[in-house]
Order: sequence, then C-alpha cells, then structure tokens
Amino acid sequence: EDQVTQSPEALRLQEGESSSLNCSYTVSGLRGLFWYRQDPGKGPEFLFTLYSAGEEKEKERLKATLTKKESFLHITAPKPEDSATYLCAVHSLNDYKLSFGAGTTVTVRA
Amino acid sequence: GAGVSQSPSNKVTEKGKDVELRCDPISGHTALYWYRQSLGQGLEFLIYFQGNSAPDKSGLPSDRFSAERTGGSVSTLTIQRTQQEDSAVYLCASSRSGGRETQYFGPGTRLLVL
Repeated sequence: EDQVTQSPEALRLQEGESSSLNCSYTVSGLRGLFWYRQDPGKGPEFLFTLYSAGEEKEKERLKATLTKKESFLHITAPKPEDSATYLCAVHSLNDYKLSFGAGTTVTVRA
Repeated sequence: GAGVSQSPSNKVTEKGKDVELRCDPISGHTALYWYRQSLGQGLEFLIYFQGNSAPDKSGLPSDRFSAERTGGSVSTLTIQRTQQEDSAVYLCASSRSGGRETQYFGPGTRLLVL
C-alpha cells in the first residue's frame, strides 16, 4: 500500500526565514508526486507535479525537488501570504487515486 | 475558466437523515474523484469515475455511501442514514483523463452530523 509521510507537522517561520518541508513516500511504482497548498476552509490548490528523480519545479518562492524516496518543498524568503497547509500526494502506477500525507502547516510571521 | 464547483458549501443534518452532495467538474474533464478530509486526518479516497467506465468504489467506507455520475459530467455523492463519524469535508476533484493528469479540487462541502 502506498504511504506518504510529511514532516514536520507544523512550521513557524519569521518572514524571510527560508526552510524546507519533507515528504517521504513508499509506492510500488511512481506515476507522479504532487504538491498542493490548502488554505483554511478551502480545497487543495495545485502547485507542482514531479515525475522522476532529479526533477525540480519552481514557482515564485517555492521550489519542489524529487528523489527516489522523498520530495522537498523549499520556501525561500517566505511572506505571511505563504501561510497555509502544504499537502504532498503520490499517484502510483497501479492506481487511479492520490494517496496524501497529513500535511505540514506553515505559519509565517511578519 | 471555471474550476470545480461543489454544493452545498455547508450542510448540517441530524443523525439518521440522508444527504446528497453535488460536484460539477471542470468542463471537458473525463475523470472525477471524491475524497473525504476528516479533522486531523489526511485526504481519504472514496470513489473514481472515468468516462463511461464502471466506477472504482474501493474507497467507500460502507454501503451507506453511494455515488453516481450523470451524462459523464455532474456527480452526486449520497450518504444514507448519516452517522456522527460521517462529519467531514467532502472534496471533489477532476482531471482531463485518469492517467497522470493533475487532479484539480473543488472548495468542498463541510458536512456536520448532529
């Protein structure tokens, strides 16, 4: 069964203080790894898809990387508007659904 | 373009009552998914529709849960004889196809069973 573990559960940052979120996964065959952002009371918002080890994607202050066992979401010089829960999910070759981690809640203080 | 829409946004019901939750996928998306997000838990897969194929119901937690998709577009998730443990956010997602395409989520329906 696919497993996704995210750490830390919560992260409190000062504005401008860069940090990284971890997503460790176990999957029979990786079709894709997805990062989503979820604000309170809203549905997950798509950020990135990574398909193979070594791949990197960037969007504004966010950069996602992928290895064979984990993915990192790097937040560079975060702003208060980056405060959200970040969800990692995997899509395996044998399945249609996404398997999600529990998420990392990021709070950025001004 | 318009994203995935869901209705109602909030639903409060009494234990034992039936509820229907609606999802309108992105136009042109053939794949549709239902997930459930409970407090303190990750998103849990419920059911998957792809075109006219038989749905994958492997994630439905009990036979009180059912879903249908009419005309390959709108979907309705029905929960019969609701229980307090059914309280959660029910999220719908759609993708262009069922392969490695990105799943785009709606805002969810927040269900509270009293």
